[in-house]
Amino acid sequence: AQSVAQPEDQVNVAEGNPLTVKCTYSVSGNPYLFWYVQYPNRGLQFLLKYITGDNLVKGSYGFEAEFNKSQTSFHLKKPSALVSDSALYFCAVRDPGGSYIPTFGRGTSLIVHP
Amino acid sequence: SAVISQKPSRDICQRGTSLTIQCQVDSQVTMMFWYRQQPGQSLTLIATANQGSEATYESGFVIDKFPISRPNLTFSTLTVSNMSPEDSSIYLCSVEYRGGPNEQFFGPGTRLTVL
Repeated sequence: AQSVAQPEDQVNVAEGNPLTVKCTYSVSGNPYLFWYVQYPNRGLQFLLKYITGDNLVKGSYGFEAEFNKSQTSFHLKKPSALVSDSALYFCAVRDPGGSYIPTFGRGTSLIVHP
Repeated sequence: SAVISQKPSRDICQRGTSLTIQCQVDSQVTMMFWYRQQPGQSLTLIATANQGSEATYESGFVIDKFPISRPNLTFSTLTVSNMSPEDSSIYLCSVEYRGGPNEQFFGPGTRLTVL
């Protein structure tokens, strides 16, 4: 079975400060990991993914995420937050040896204050 | 990436009626999915839309309530039947290219309110 946890319902950060949105996962094999963002009244947009290779993955809008196998984590980061980054962020995991259907976390609301 | 459109973008419906949501993709895709996102919650997969055959439903979802069609590789419909206020949600279509980049691409969603 595969699962993903986003332990924070909401993250608050001041504009210009670094941000981190946390995600931990559980799969039986090597995971495929994804981050999506959902702006108000919009569908989900793909940000970045980890499939294999370098543990630090860079994605859209200046976001990056680090795959940590020992801690089973895939935290989303950005060095300097923008007010326009305020949105709902979803982490997702797939076990490539199992179901082709990803499991989504419950989402973390990121609020960036001016 | 794929460009996905959904119709309608939103609707307000009366209890007991049905609504059909359309999903159109600008290219042929292998996999098409329908998700439900209830207010303040994560995504729940309703079913995988299979071309030319019956959809594959997840636990808790049945064909009588959520009939799905997928006549070709670029189009699918989801019907929410005999609606109740509990069906008020955002319904999202998504696609994936099997053997492709592995991530899913999502439509803009259909915001449904049932009175």
